[in-house]
Order: sequence, then structure tokens, then C-alpha cells
Amino acid sequence: GENVEQHPSTLSVQEGDSAVIKCTYSDSASNYFPWYKQELGKGPQLIIDIRSNVGEKKDQRIAVTLNKTAKHFSLHITETQPEDSAVYFCAANRITALIFGKGTTLSVSS
Amino acid sequence: DSGVTQTPKHLITATGQRVTLRCSPRSGDLSVYWYQQSLDQGLQFLIQYYNGEERAKGNILERFSAQQFPDLHSELNLSSLELGDSALYFCASSVARTGGNNEQFFGPGTRLTVL
Repeated sequence: GENVEQHPSTLSVQEGDSAVIKCTYSDSASNYFPWYKQELGKGPQLIIDIRSNVGEKKDQRIAVTLNKTAKHFSLHITETQPEDSAVYFCAANRITALIFGKGTTLSVSS
Repeated sequence: DSGVTQTPKHLITATGQRVTLRCSPRSGDLSVYWYQQSLDQGLQFLIQYYNGEERAKGNILERFSAQQFPDLHSELNLSSLELGDSALYFCASSVARTGGNNEQFFGPGTRLTVL
């Protein structure tokens, strides 16, 4: 079955710096890769996603890249702000389900 | 606010007991998914219902069951509870039948504590 590895597990940056979170997946049939942000006490919130026919997608300060050959995808956050502090999860689809990585705790200090 | 609602927000119960968690999907969404989030296992897919019918099963224990009603709300029933069942339980919804490649929107979760 699908397995999703996510790194790093924790990431600390200064406000204004960039943050990069990387994920690898195992199932070459996966074709949908969403990223979720989870703040304390809340449910995961979809922030961006990418499909296998696209190599990169941007939405303001966040971008996601996908390398299907290497089976990895990354989340890039530029000009980080304290409100970006949260746990970020990557996921890959397996038939009808989403398989999630273990999460990255991002801390942005001002 | 995702539009997905879950009740109750918190639930404290004892081992051996049975509880029911409730979820209402976003307006227009026909699929409901249940996930369990624990510190050691992360977010684990449990089960999906689409328009009242079971669509897919993940790592759901036999002690757990779910159903989706005609008004599309869903309930997750957890029985013979064990300490290890303590976790956050999330419901998500999507418009599509095939959940694997469509956006899923998560509710705020129910925190279950088994004492």
C-alpha cells in the first residue's frame, strides 16, 4: 500500500525566512497530493494541492512542487509570518483514501 | 470554517463503554470520511461513506462502525472502548464519490478520552 514519509518533523525559522517541507510517496499510481495546515485545537485545513499532471503550483506565499519520477513533493512557504506556525501534513491518494505523512511542526519566531 | 460540523467537541468515558460521534458534511457534499488522529499513528483513514453506502474501509477496528443517514449526516460508533482508543476523531467531506483525488474538508474534530 501507499506510504508517505515527511521531513523534517520540526522546523524553526525566523519571520521572513522561507520554509520547505518534503514528502516522498511509494505508490506510483498516486496522482493527487494535498497539503493541510492544522492549528492547535482545530481540524486540518486544506491549503494547496497538486495533481500528477502538474509540476508546480503557487498560491500567494505558498507553492508546491512535484517530481513524479523521484516520487517526492515539497511545500514551500516564503516570507513566513508568525501565523504560519502550525503542523503541516502532506498526503497522497491511494484509491479512495488519503494517506498522510506524520506532520511537520513549523515554528516562526518574530 | 470548513462547513463540516462535529459533535460533541469533547467526550470522556470509561473503558468498556460505547460512544457515538456525529458529523454533518458541507452542504452539497455526498461523501463522508472518518479519520483517527493519535500522537503515535498520525492521521489514519478509517472509513468512507458515499450517499448512504459504505465506499471504502481503512484501518477501522471491528469494534468500530459507522453509518450515513438519508440526510447525509454520519455517525461513528465506538464500542468496548480501550485506553488506546483515546484520540482525536475527525470527519471530512467531499463532493465526489472517489475521495482519493478530490478535496476533502475536515471538521473541528471530537476529542475522545477513555479513562
